[in-house]
Amino acid sequence: EPEVTQTPSHQVTQMGQEVILRCVPISNHLYFYWYRQILGQKVEFLVSFYNNEISEKSEIFDDQFSVERPDGSNFTLKIRSTKLEDSAMYFCASRTLTGGPDTQYFGPGTRLTVL
Amino acid sequence: GQNIDQPTEMTATEGAIVQINCTYQTSGFNGLFWYQQHAGEAPTFLSYNVLDGLEEKGRFSSFLSRSKGYSYLLLKELQMKDSASYLCAVRSFTGGGNKLTFGTGTQLKVEL
Repeated sequence: EPEVTQTPSHQVTQMGQEVILRCVPISNHLYFYWYRQILGQKVEFLVSFYNNEISEKSEIFDDQFSVERPDGSNFTLKIRSTKLEDSAMYFCASRTLTGGPDTQYFGPGTRLTVL
Repeated sequence: GQNIDQPTEMTATEGAIVQINCTYQTSGFNGLFWYQQHAGEAPTFLSYNVLDGLEEKGRFSSFLSRSKGYSYLLLKELQMKDSASYLCAVRSFTGGGNKLTFGTGTQLKVEL
């Protein structure tokens, strides 16, 4: 069964450093998403991406964040200058428009720790 | 804005049935999803409703009433492995991205 994959599984970085989180969505999916979950809190929407552009973003997704689909398979989230409060689990998700319940399927997540 | 409420914790016995409720207030409603999340892992899809009524999927069923802003997830024949957090999430089409807005999750503990 196809699945969303994410790398790395755990990223430790120093405050102020740039990080890039990588995702490979399910191959026939057309919508891509990033969510984050701070430890002990709820899953929060960051950004959605369709047809090579951002379709929606939340208040969390400020100028420090960017997304890119550099090729036909990868979808990345970049944080330019990390802050302590960026420490969270970051989930990538994807969905298709064709058939089924149009569900978003989540990757296993990247745990980002900012020191 | 979006507002989703679900109980924080529930406890049930192995083999029993448990119902997890979710109430929501939202604009641009476009479906309600239930996900299961084990600690430290990703949410995994369980069930989905876009129209009123009951959707059954094996041991899991979900119900939706759009007029009441209410849904529930029913888990039958509980197993120890069902101990997890159950997330109610509302999809909205306002903003164009069909994002999911999650509740805080209901931590279910299944006991012998």
